[in-house]
Parts: sequence; structure tokens; C-alpha cells
Amino acid sequence: KAGVTQTPRYLIKTRGQQVTLSCSPISGHRSVSWYQQTPGQGLQFLFEYFSETQRNKGNFPGRFSGRQFSNSRSEMNVSTLELGDSALYLCASSLTAGGYGYTFGSGTRLTVV
Amino acid sequence: TQLLEQSPQFLSIQEGENLTVYCNSSSVFSSLQWYRQEPGEGPVLLVTVVTGGEVKKLKRLTFQFGDARKDSSLHITAAQPGDTGLYLCAGAQTGANNLFFGTGTRLTVIP
Repeated sequence: KAGVTQTPRYLIKTRGQQVTLSCSPISGHRSVSWYQQTPGQGLQFLFEYFSETQRNKGNFPGRFSGRQFSNSRSEMNVSTLELGDSALYLCASSLTAGGYGYTFGSGTRLTVV
Repeated sequence: TQLLEQSPQFLSIQEGENLTVYCNSSSVFSSLQWYRQEPGEGPVLLVTVVTGGEVKKLKRLTFQFGDARKDSSLHITAAQPGDTGLYLCAGAQTGANNLFFGTGTRLTVIP
């Protein structure tokens, strides 16, 4: 079966711009979680969606937002980009909520210049 | 502040050697997962341990969950170059809908 698909793989944006990242989970998986990975902080939890509802949100500013559609696909948006937002953004899907049995996508590498 | 601290942070060993990676916390977890991540890819789940004291073996990899469910270890026997990667532990807590990831151990196995 197809894995978790994240698009695009690479992005270069300018400070102040906004960006939207997309994640298509494994078929049948209703939970999608987003993480930010940086060399200094490691993997930090952004948010989790289950059946189109945000169940949990990490400690990130309001510039970071997301949503989930009825087909379980998810998008995350970052507005007013800052240099510190440069990171690998990972999406993980699972059958149930709560962080069990994650399958991660390959990530979107965002560079803010 | 990281809930889970891994040690060592970096490890470079010769092919055939054994190694152990530690994952420690002062918090209790309902389960502990181990992932391996290769450059340019997302983490891949290796194992989940849920019972204090549990030991799981996956070929040359042995995972242990501490009795108090606050720590875990990963032991690799006769390491191979294919074991090279970033090893991450991640804990789940009752009532939380996310995983708390460890600081990571970057392993390099030299042929």
C-alpha cells in the first residue's frame, strides 16, 4: 500500500511569506500529526488531527496552523515566515489518535532566506 | 526542555562491534517507541514496548523498557554499515495525543 506522501519535498521561501505543506496519509488512517525537526531542537510536536478535528497542539506560535479534510488529507500553513522556521516538516499518520503506530512521510524541507 | 534524553549523542564504531543506546527520563510513559531515520527520509518505526521490564528482540536489535517505564535501551549486536542512521526514542503518555521524542543518537558503522 502507498505510504505517507508529503508535498512538496523541498521549498525555498523568503522571510515574511507564507507556505502551505500537504500530507496524504496511508489509506484508512484517520489520524495525521505534524512535527518540526531541526538540528538544535530535534522533533517537536506541532499538532494532531483526527477525523477533521484538531485534538492537540504543541507549543508553537499562532503563525502555525493546520487542517484536515474529509478524506483525511492534511495541510499545514505557516504565515509570516521567519528564518527560524527553516526545518524539516514531518507528517505522520496512524489508524488511531494518540501517537501509536506512526508511519512518517519523507518530509518537506523548508528553507527560509 | 527535552522529556527524553538519549546517550550517547554520537557514536562511531567499527563493523562487527556491539553498542547500546540509552533513553532516559524522569517521567513515566505508557509506551516507548524506537525509530531509525536515514538522511532525507522520515523516521521508521522499529519497535513499541508497553510493559515495564519488557524485552523485545528484532534480529540483532534488542530493546528493553525499564521496570518503572521511565527509560529504555537499544542494544545492537555485531553492527553493520546498514545500521547507520539517527536512532530516536519516543514516549507516549496517557492523556496526551502526541509522542515526545528523544534528543537522538547518530550512529555511524564503519566498514
